[in-house]
Amino acid sequence: AQSVAQPEDQVNVAEGNPLTVKCTYSVSGNPYLFWYVQYPNRGLQFLLKYITGDNLVKGSYGFEAEFNKSQTSFHLKKPSALVSDSALYFCAVRVEYSGGGADGLTFGKGTHLIIQP
Amino acid sequence: DTGVSQNPRHKITKRGQNVTFRCDPISEHNRLYWYRQTLGQGPEFLTYFQNEAQLEKSRLLSDRFSAERPKGSFSTLEIQRTEQGDSAMYLCASSPQRGGHEQFFGPGTRLTVL
Repeated sequence: AQSVAQPEDQVNVAEGNPLTVKCTYSVSGNPYLFWYVQYPNRGLQFLLKYITGDNLVKGSYGFEAEFNKSQTSFHLKKPSALVSDSALYFCAVRVEYSGGGADGLTFGKGTHLIIQP
Repeated sequence: DTGVSQNPRHKITKRGQNVTFRCDPISEHNRLYWYRQTLGQGPEFLTYFQNEAQLEKSRLLSDRFSAERPKGSFSTLEIQRTEQGDSAMYLCASSPQRGGHEQFFGPGTRLTVL
């Protein structure tokens, strides 16, 4: 069974500082990895994904994430945080499609990111 | 707006009643997914459709839950004999094809069972 761990319930960062939101995963097979953001009273919004290729992927709003196969991690990063980045962030994984189903995403519990002015 | 839409946005019901939610995916997307999210947790996968075919169901989907996508367009999720434990946000998502494409989520239907 696949799983995702987000070890921090909350991350506090001062505006302008770099931020990191951690994610580790466990799958049997090649992972597809995703980050989503959820604002209050709004649906999940896609930020970025890793499928294959370069380990550093860039996404929306200046976010990026680094895939590390040996550490089974996919940490979300941003060089300079904005107050508007404050939200709930979810990491998700699914296995590379092999014709055997298992197409649903498995999500972590989420990390509250709080950017302080 | 051509995103995923869900109706109703909120539903309050009494225990034992049946409820039905609707999801309209992005029009060119042939895959549709249902998830459930409870407070403090990430979304949990329930089921998905490719066109009208229901291809996968989670163990979370008890026999009181049924989902349909009769013409491969919109989908409905019905919960029969609701229980207080069914209170959650029910999310729908769609994607254009398999193979790593991200899923686009709707705003969700918040169900409260009294």
